[in-house]
Amino acid sequence: QVQLVESGGGVVQPGRSLRLSCAASGFTFSRNAMHWVRQAPGKGLEWVAVISCDGNNKYYADSMKGRFTVSRDNSKNTVFLQMNNLTVEDTAVYYCARGMGCYSWAFDYWGQGNQVTVSS
Amino acid sequence: DIVMTQTPLSLSVTPGQPASISCKSSQSLLHSEGRTYLYWYVQRPGQPPQLLIYEVSNRFSGVPDRFSGSGSGTDFTLKISRVEAEDVGIYYCMQSKHLPTFGQGTKVEIK
Repeated sequence: QVQLVESGGGVVQPGRSLRLSCAASGFTFSRNAMHWVRQAPGKGLEWVAVISCDGNNKYYADSMKGRFTVSRDNSKNTVFLQMNNLTVEDTAVYYCARGMGCYSWAFDYWGQGNQVTVSS
Repeated sequence: DIVMTQTPLSLSVTPGQPASISCKSSQSLLHSEGRTYLYWYVQRPGQPPQLLIYEVSNRFSGVPDRFSGSGSGTDFTLKISRVEAEDVGIYYCMQSKHLPTFGQGTKVEIK
């Protein structure tokens, strides 16, 4: 079955960086786009970024553009989210989610989530 | 950005009774290729979100048939025909015609 396992979260000071990973299994990773979605404490869902199945197309939410970078390693079935210049507003649970196709902007399966806390 | 607006924001339902959630988009979600990119997710307490309905009315794998989606253009509805205790959670609509955006969420609780 499809499994997505995020890692790399934790507590970080404002202005610092963090890199999240999401290891995928149970499907042919190179056939699906991969997304990141976040949820601030007590808030709703906010889409963050998407990378196409081949890694050639990447899109970001406006508030993350220029600070966050999504990448993938299809040989390792892993997608990454590099987050730079973090602010307290980036505190959230970060989910990776599988796109419903190579270039799909919708997603079906989600990981369990990874907590990122930005605090001095 | 396409703005998604859900109503109501909370719903208290007696088990066995129906429930309905509305979702309106700020522009049509009908794509030129003929598909409508409207999705419904549920986030049960302490869990990640799960896909319920894709492209307006298609139930995802394993989703019970008491869940149904309908609508077109800018107006969409999720219906639960007979609410069960396990349906407690927050329901989100989402569009993916452009970069994805979610509704605010509708909290469903059991009376």
